[in-house]
Amino acid sequence: EVQLLESGGGSVQPGGSLRLSCAASGFTFSNYAMSWVRQGPGKGLEWVSVVSGGGDRTYYGDSLKGRFTISRDNSKNTLYLQMNSLRPEDTAVYYCAKGRIAVEPAAIDYWGQGTQVTVSS
Amino acid sequence: DIQMTQSPSSVSASVGDRVTITCQASQRISSWLAWYRQKPGKAPKLLIYAASTLESGVPSRFSGSGSGTDFTLTISSLQPEDFATYYCQQANSFPLTFGGGTKVEMK
Repeated sequence: EVQLLESGGGSVQPGGSLRLSCAASGFTFSNYAMSWVRQGPGKGLEWVSVVSGGGDRTYYGDSLKGRFTISRDNSKNTLYLQMNSLRPEDTAVYYCAKGRIAVEPAAIDYWGQGTQVTVSS
Repeated sequence: DIQMTQSPSSVSASVGDRVTITCQASQRISSWLAWYRQKPGKAPKLLIYAASTLESGVPSRFSGSGSGTDFTLTISSLQPEDFATYYCQQANSFPLTFGGGTKVEMK
């Protein structure tokens, strides 16, 4: 059974940093691209970033402007999102998400339960 | 970036109704389109990928069609668990982009 378990969310002041983690199990982690998708309060889904299975390719949403960094550790089956210079508009539930096939881009077939990030003074 | 436009933004329906949601891409995306259902407070669930392929375990009342720029999700007979918000997503190129969502509400 595929499981994605996010952690690392919380409350932070504007300008602060957070590092999200996602522990994956139930599939060959290194074979699949992994994404972060966020959802602001009462808003729709916004794709944040993706990293290829091998970790050598990354892509980001236009709104992030270099503040976020996605990475993965295939030896630990873990996905990360380093978020710097956080802004109130980054407040959202952040989902870890698995690509459906071994090439990217792709649809997302599994989602974590989400971790809340709140940016407020 | 490819913009995805969903319509309607909301629809009121009853159990047993047929519901149709449309999604339009700002440029051609072949059949690289997925549909998701999201219940309140829960993560989205993949329903359809490649525009018309039903994800394993998804009931056959869901169907998808279209290619190029225009796509449709149809629920043939709405069930109580289908009152939720639906999103389309293009998987043709990065950045991945979602439609704004369609909320299916009880009439």
